Amino acid sequence: TQLLEQSPQFLSIQEGENLTVYCNSSSVFSSLQWYRQEPGEGPVLLVTVVTGGEVKKLKRLTFQFGDARKDSSLHITAAQPGDTGLYLCAGKWSNDYKLSFGAGTTVTVRA
Amino acid sequence: EAGVAQSPRYKIIEKRQSVAFWCNPISGHATLYWYQQILGQGPKLLIQFQNNGVVDDSQLPKDRFSAERLKGVDSTLKIQPAKLEDSAVYLCASSLFGQGYSYEQYFGPGTRLTVT
Repeated sequence: TQLLEQSPQFLSIQEGENLTVYCNSSSVFSSLQWYRQEPGEGPVLLVTVVTGGEVKKLKRLTFQFGDARKDSSLHITAAQPGDTGLYLCAGKWSNDYKLSFGAGTTVTVRA
Repeated sequence: EAGVAQSPRYKIIEKRQSVAFWCNPISGHATLYWYQQILGQGPKLLIQFQNNGVVDDSQLPKDRFSAERLKGVDSTLKIQPAKLEDSAVYLCASSLFGQGYSYEQYFGPGTRLTVT
């Protein structure tokens, strides 16, 4: 069974601080996506990464895909209350076409 | 562009009762997905349709869950009879294509089911 682990499970920070959440697997991903889910809503896609070592930026969000394509990180600079939500990573492994989701990291940014 | 529509948004039933959820995907999206998201977990794929055919239902508890996508557009997911452990948010998503490295799934707001 291939597992996708996210850490930490919960993160609470003050507005203006930086944060990083992680996504790890023992198997190689063919592609990996990050989603944000707000209470009462479905997940919304933030980014897709495919190439090992790839770095993508979306305003204050920086996404990094590990060189070996087994891990990824999401870094938020100067977090704002609007960044509050559940951050999910979802990956496709090389031998499986399905998208598998991690349990997510719940981020709370206090004003 | 209208998003993925789901109804109802909330449902409370007693165990052993039946329940049905409805999903209308984004127009033109060939692929439709039903996910189950239990509190504290990420979404788990239950079934994937490509047009009106089933691509994957390996994680669908077929003794109690059923789903159909008539005419390749709307879809319904049914649970009969419901168990306490079925309490979860049921998410519907659609995508333009179902294959390839990079594709985007658009999610609906979900139906929160509580089984008492």
